[in-house]
Amino acid sequence: EVQLVESGGGLVQPGGSLRLSCAASGITLSRDWMTWVRQAPGKGLEWVANIKEDGSGKSYVDSVKGRFTISRDNAKKTVFLQMNSLRVEDTAVYYCGSGSGWHFDLWGRGTLVTVSS
Amino acid sequence: DFVMTQSPDSLTVSLGERATINCKSSQSVLSTSDNRNYLAWFQQKPGQPPKLLIFWASTREPGVPDRISGSGSGTDFTLTISSLQAEDVAVYYCQQYYGAPITFGGGTKVEIK
Repeated sequence: EVQLVESGGGLVQPGGSLRLSCAASGITLSRDWMTWVRQAPGKGLEWVANIKEDGSGKSYVDSVKGRFTISRDNAKKTVFLQMNSLRVEDTAVYYCGSGSGWHFDLWGRGTLVTVSS
Repeated sequence: DFVMTQSPDSLTVSLGERATINCKSSQSVLSTSDNRNYLAWFQQKPGQPPKLLIFWASTREPGVPDRISGSGSGTDFTLTISSLQAEDVAVYYCQQYYGAPITFGGGTKVEIK
């Protein structure tokens, strides 16, 4: 079955860290751009980061630059989002997506990150 | 950054009637190098991830019913559901992928009258 499965979410205090993972199955991950998009409770979609097929290109939304790092391990078919210095406003469901370009056509079901004291 | 503005915020339509959602970009998303509009439409139902419906502004994703269509170019785009069905109740988002940061519109909630 073709799918993406996110994990690693949870409750963390402000200033803390989490590492999200996105495991792919049924696809050749190394052919695809990967992305993380988040959705705060009751809000719309916000793009967070992209990573090129071979990991050579990365881009981030300004609000997470210097705090979040996207990476990938194509051999393990997994993409990561290392999140440091977390803020209350980072609370959201985080979705990973894949696609041959930047119009991402396969999505995971998401993992909830809650930043609260 | 590209600011994507959707209208209306919500839409109530009778079953079988037409639903039209507009999306306006603050800058053109039409590439002069390949003559493509870097604009996608997503559908999101409660508790579910976004689902890609349309890319390149008017190319339907495989499996998307042909009652759903996208049009427009440059800065102005439209998603049309020609005959609304119960399963179309959702929030719809436009997204530009011309450049980083990728940006989404605020969403349009479609409901049945």
